[in-house]
Amino acid sequence: GENVEQHPSTLSVQEGDSAVIKCTYSDSASNYFPWYKQELGKRPQLIIDIRSNVGEKKDQRIAVTLNKTAKHFSLHITETQPEDSAVYFCAASRRTNAGKSTFGDGTTLTVKP
Amino acid sequence: EAQVTQNPRYLITVTGKKLTVTCSQNMNHEYMSWYRQDPGLGLRQIYYSMNVEVTDKGDVPEGYKVSRKEKRNFPLILESPSPNQTSLYFCASSLVGLSYEQYFGPGTRLTVT
Repeated sequence: GENVEQHPSTLSVQEGDSAVIKCTYSDSASNYFPWYKQELGKRPQLIIDIRSNVGEKKDQRIAVTLNKTAKHFSLHITETQPEDSAVYFCAASRRTNAGKSTFGDGTTLTVKP
Repeated sequence: EAQVTQNPRYLITVTGKKLTVTCSQNMNHEYMSWYRQDPGLGLRQIYYSMNVEVTDKGDVPEGYKVSRKEKRNFPLILESPSPNQTSLYFCASSLVGLSYEQYFGPGTRLTVT
C-alpha cells in the first residue's frame, strides 16, 4: 500500500521567515496530494492541494510543489505569521478510481513573534 | 450551513460494550471516510465509502465496521471496543470527480477503559 513520510516532525521559525515541509510517497499511481492544517483542538482543514498533472500551485503565501519522478511534494509558507502555528498534514491518494487516502504523521509548526 | 456532524463528541466506555459513532453530511457528497488520530501517528484511514452500499477498508480496519445505507450517513461501529481503540475519530466527506477536498467533522474523542 501507499506510504507517506513527512519531515520535519516539528519546525520552529521566526515570524516573517519561510517554512518548508516535505513529504515523500511510495505509490506511483497516487494522483492527488492535499495539505491540511489542524489548529489545536480543531478539525483538519484543506489549505492547498495539487494534482499529479501539475508541478506547482500557489495561493497567496502558500505554495505546493510536486516532483512525480522523485515522488515527493513540499509545502512552502512565506512571510509566516503567528496564526500559521498549527499541525500540518500531507496526504497522497488515488482519488479517480479509489478512495484510499494516506496521511503523513504531521508537522507541528511554531511561528515565534 | 454545509457541514459534517458527528455524535457523540465525547464518549467514555468500557471494554466490550458495543458502540456506534454517527456521521452525517448535508452536502450530497458521494465519498465518506473515517480516520483515527493518535499522537505522532497522524490521521489513519479506517474505512471509506465511494457511494451508497460501497465501502472498503483503509489502513487500520481491524475492530471496526461501517455501513452506508444512505448517502448522508456513515456510522462507525465498534462491536467489542478495546483500550487500544482509545483515540480521536474524524469523519470526512467529499465529492468524487470534481473536487477532492475532504470536509472533516468536529471529531469524537473515545476512551475505552
